Amino acid sequence: AQSVSQHNHHVILSEAASLELGCNYSYGGTVNLFWYVQYPGQHLQLLLKYFSGDPLVKGIKGFEAEFIKSKFSFNLRKPSVQWSDTAEYFCAVTRSGYSTLTFGKGTMLLVSP
Amino acid sequence: DVKVTQSSRYLVKRTGEKVFLECVQDMDHENMFWYRQDPGLGLRLIYFSYDVKMKEKGDIPEGYSVSREKKERFSLILESASTNQTSMYLCASSTAATGKSSYEQYFGPGTRLTVT
Repeated sequence: AQSVSQHNHHVILSEAASLELGCNYSYGGTVNLFWYVQYPGQHLQLLLKYFSGDPLVKGIKGFEAEFIKSKFSFNLRKPSVQWSDTAEYFCAVTRSGYSTLTFGKGTMLLVSP
Repeated sequence: DVKVTQSSRYLVKRTGEKVFLECVQDMDHENMFWYRQDPGLGLRLIYFSYDVKMKEKGDIPEGYSVSREKKERFSLILESASTNQTSMYLCASSTAATGKSSYEQYFGPGTRLTVT
């Protein structure tokens, strides 16, 4: 069975700091990858996704992620975080052509003003 | 915009009660999913459905059942609620995967269930 590992459970940053959240998955075949975000009191929403093609994908609110197949990684980045980025971030993976997602345990990001 | 709605935001039930959580999506999605979300554990799949009257067990189906009588509606049932089922329950829907393509899931706001 595939699994997803998020390296940090909690991250605390000051505004304007750069962000990188790690995500590694275990499945060796073709995958589709996602990052979801859950702002306080809100529902989970898609931040960005990778299906194929350019391994560097850009999402909403200035986020991007890079798929490195050789490292089984899909790390999320943002050059300069804002207080409004305070949220929980989830990495998810599915085998291509499958409907079910496997989620990581999440990383809670707190950005201090 | 895809809309996934859940019948309640907060629910308090007693141990042993039968609990129904309802989910409705308005985008004609084939797939629907039920997850529970617990701190430090992320999202864990309880059941999913890829068509009306079809269901598949997820990672943690014990103590739960589901019903999908109409394409837009997917119900989660706790036959006899227990305190360890206190959690946030999330419903999601998606287009069916085709060939080598999978699609993102759209989530509802969640139901926070407390079993006392």
